[in-house]
Amino acid sequence: DQQVKQNSPSLSVQEGRISILNCDYTNSMFDYFLWYKKYPAEGPTFLISISSIKDKNEDGRFTVFLNKSAKHLSLHIVPSQPGDSAVYFCAASGNDYKLSFGAGTTVTVRA
Amino acid sequence: DAGITQSPRHKVTETGTPVTLRCHQTENHRYMYWYRQDPGHGLRLIHYSYGVKDTDKGEVSDGYSVSRSKTEDFLLTLESATSSQTSVYFCAISEEGTSSGANVLTFGAGSRLTVL
Repeated sequence: DQQVKQNSPSLSVQEGRISILNCDYTNSMFDYFLWYKKYPAEGPTFLISISSIKDKNEDGRFTVFLNKSAKHLSLHIVPSQPGDSAVYFCAASGNDYKLSFGAGTTVTVRA
Repeated sequence: DAGITQSPRHKVTETGTPVTLRCHQTENHRYMYWYRQDPGHGLRLIHYSYGVKDTDKGEVSDGYSVSRSKTEDFLLTLESATSSQTSVYFCAISEEGTSSGANVLTFGAGSRLTVL
């Protein structure tokens, strides 16, 4: 049973606007949450993470928000750029050094 | 790819044949992982290793075995390949005690396996 869920398989956004990607999880023991970005024919690359003791983490154009009570996190990309077109995976881990991933959201940034 | 090499990058094989995928790292990281990526499922953990000769199962380990005889190498073996094992396989590594506290995995470029 998937413990990390990304319910939107795809997202299309205009260049310069905000992209919002959502992720839900079921395991209350998760204490770190990560976002990965993946281009075709490449491995996923780490984007940003957040600890369960925080509710927001920012890194340049990328901000991750965590709502522990709702078991929900989101990734905001602003402004969106053509190079942001990729598949984005949400991931979560507890204290066992394993990451559980969501199914991914394909983002397309339109010019 | 941060010192991670997967081989082969592409392989086509027939049902029932054995297949071994190799992951080699030059980072001296303790943890190594094998994931498979399939449409609609994202990345699912097959097996992982927390040291030489120390391995454990992930969520989709049936039909797969692994070995780690050296820190730098982690092998994934399909003893008798089936069509359901057609997938893209990713190796990843991580180290203990990162500054952020998060277990950040670094991935290889992937190995595309097709079982006919």
